Amino acid sequence: GENVEQHPSTLSVQEGDSAVIKCTYSDSASNYFPWYKQELGKRPQLIIDIRSNVGEKKDQRIAVTLNKTAKHFSLHITETQPEDSAVYFCAASVSGSARQLTFGSGTQLTVLP
Amino acid sequence: DTGVSQDPRHKITKRGQNVTFRCDPISEHNRLYWYRQTLGQGPEFLTYFQNEAQLEKSRLLSDRFSAERPKGSFSTLEIQRTEQGDSAMYLCASSLPNKNTGELFFGEGSRLTVL
Repeated sequence: GENVEQHPSTLSVQEGDSAVIKCTYSDSASNYFPWYKQELGKRPQLIIDIRSNVGEKKDQRIAVTLNKTAKHFSLHITETQPEDSAVYFCAASVSGSARQLTFGSGTQLTVLP
Repeated sequence: DTGVSQDPRHKITKRGQNVTFRCDPISEHNRLYWYRQTLGQGPEFLTYFQNEAQLEKSRLLSDRFSAERPKGSFSTLEIQRTEQGDSAMYLCASSLPNKNTGELFFGEGSRLTVL
């Protein structure tokens, strides 16, 4: 089955700096890659996703890049703010949808004021 | 709040007891999922329903676990003869069957502690 590795497990950045979180996946058939944000004590929420026919996607301060050859994808957050502090999970799916999602182990991002 | 709701939010039980969790998805969502999340880990897929049909089950779902969605609306997850290793957050999620979006809408979870 699919295996998703996520790094780093913790990340601290100064407010205004950029943050990058990286994930690798094992199944070359995976074609859908969402990122979820989970604030302390709250539910995970989708922040951005990308499909295998696209190499990059941006939404304001958030961007995701995908390298299918290397089987890795990354989340980039620019101009970080304290409210970006949360746990971020990457995931991969072979179904092209929310079915069969395999999540990474998460990255605790702390944005220092 | 018209999001996914789960009940109870917390459950403490003794080893060997049975527990049941309930999930009410967003009303127009016909897909429903159960995930388990332990501390420091991402959610792990347990099972998936489309309407009332249980279409997928993870190998994590031992025979002590059973999930139902009898009328295609709410779902229950029962754990029989609980073990300490069952202690985790049980997350329910729902989604629309739209191939253009894979968004899962999660509930806030039911935290199980087995003593």
